[in-house]
Amino acid sequence: AQKVTQAQTEISVVEKEDVTLDCVYETRDTTYYLFWYKQPPSGELVFLIRRNSFDEQNEISGRYSWNFQKSTSSFNFTITASQVVDSAVYFCALTQPYNQGGKLIFGQGTELSVKP
Amino acid sequence: DTAVSQTPKYLVTQMGNDKSIKCEQNLGHDTMYWYKQDSKKFLKIMFSYNNKELIINETVPNRFSPKSPDKAHLNLHINSLELGDSAVYFCASSQGGAPSNQPQHFGDGTRLSIL
Repeated sequence: AQKVTQAQTEISVVEKEDVTLDCVYETRDTTYYLFWYKQPPSGELVFLIRRNSFDEQNEISGRYSWNFQKSTSSFNFTITASQVVDSAVYFCALTQPYNQGGKLIFGQGTELSVKP
Repeated sequence: DTAVSQTPKYLVTQMGNDKSIKCEQNLGHDTMYWYKQDSKKFLKIMFSYNNKELIINETVPNRFSPKSPDKAHLNLHINSLELGDSAVYFCASSQGGAPSNQPQHFGDGTRLSIL
């Protein structure tokens, strides 16, 4: 069965610190997709990144970077020089194959608080 | 400009009532979803429709009935509301017929509170 674990329930940092949000997943499929979503205090869910299982290249987008390692089934998210606006709940998610319903399985979320 | 819009944003009602939440997307996507987010922020899929056809129906009480009049709309009707239905309900949509690999675009959520 597919599963996503975000072991860090809450993280609190001071502005300008770097912070890494961990995501570990379980799946027996060879083809799968991983996602990160952000939910700021206003409540909406914002798509951040998608990664397929065949692409292990790390990705950097501004202050955000993602480290995908199939060997450890992890897809970690790092924010460099954090800012107060980064305060949000961050969700890691994994999709089931379409022939199993194609559902998006979310982790429990990590609440990041960035203090000035 | 709103891509996925759901109404109302807030819904406060009494136990036993029937209520509906509407969702519309203007992205031209083929697949739409309803998710429930509980008080601990846990997100779980409820339903998924592709071109007006139901493709995912997670073990949801039959008091919840989704309706998709066309592929741009997916409404959620809830009968005989219970205290446990209090949650934030999110509508989402994604491109293509295979929901498994495309990013989902979410609405702003409807916060349902049962008194």
